[in-house]
Amino acid sequence: DVKVTQSSRYLVKRTGEKVFLECVQDMDHENMFWYRQDPGLGLRLIYFSYDVKMKEKGDIPEGYSVSREKKERFSLILESASTNQTSMYLCASSSDRGYTDTQYFGPGTRLTVL
Amino acid sequence: GQQLNQSPQSMFIQEGEDVSMNCTSSSIFNTWLWYKQDPGEGPVLLIALYKAGELTSNGRLTAQFGITRKDSFLNISASIPSDVGIYFCAGQETSYDKVIFGPGTSLSVIP
Repeated sequence: DVKVTQSSRYLVKRTGEKVFLECVQDMDHENMFWYRQDPGLGLRLIYFSYDVKMKEKGDIPEGYSVSREKKERFSLILESASTNQTSMYLCASSSDRGYTDTQYFGPGTRLTVL
Repeated sequence: GQQLNQSPQSMFIQEGEDVSMNCTSSSIFNTWLWYKQDPGEGPVLLIALYKAGELTSNGRLTAQFGITRKDSFLNISASIPSDVGIYFCAGQETSYDKVIFGPGTSLSVIP
């Protein structure tokens, strides 16, 4: 079974802190994604990566950065957390850019910024 | 940017009832996807549709790719308590485009 794991299920941080959300997949997938999920807004793409050390902005990249040093790991970084970044963060991976391939999601990290 | 609309936003139904929900887009899509998110988990793909008019089933779930290519429908027959969750539609204009997710339909099943 494909497994996507996220480092924390729940996280509470203070405004201005630097926050790291880690995601690891064990299926040798090329593609990895970070979404945030807010009620009534669905899943919005923050950043994605099609290869190691490669990253592309999604629809809402402001206030976030990412790092992909190894194929299996994709990190989301909040340089200076703000209260409007309180949300559920979902990581996903898929195997082939050129086809509509299933995205496998992790369980999510619920981040609260105080 | 592209947006998907899902209807209804939420549903409360009795166990055993059938469920219908739909998704509409302002753009033409070549692919429609339906995901389900169980409480406390990430979304899981239920059904993928690749051709206009296509009707695909997965157990008690049936999804259709609308012939206008701007909509898709999901039906669940004889609902059971484990059907509870949020159902997301998603679409792609081409297989090289980002997947766009709808806002979700929240389903509650009353035993």
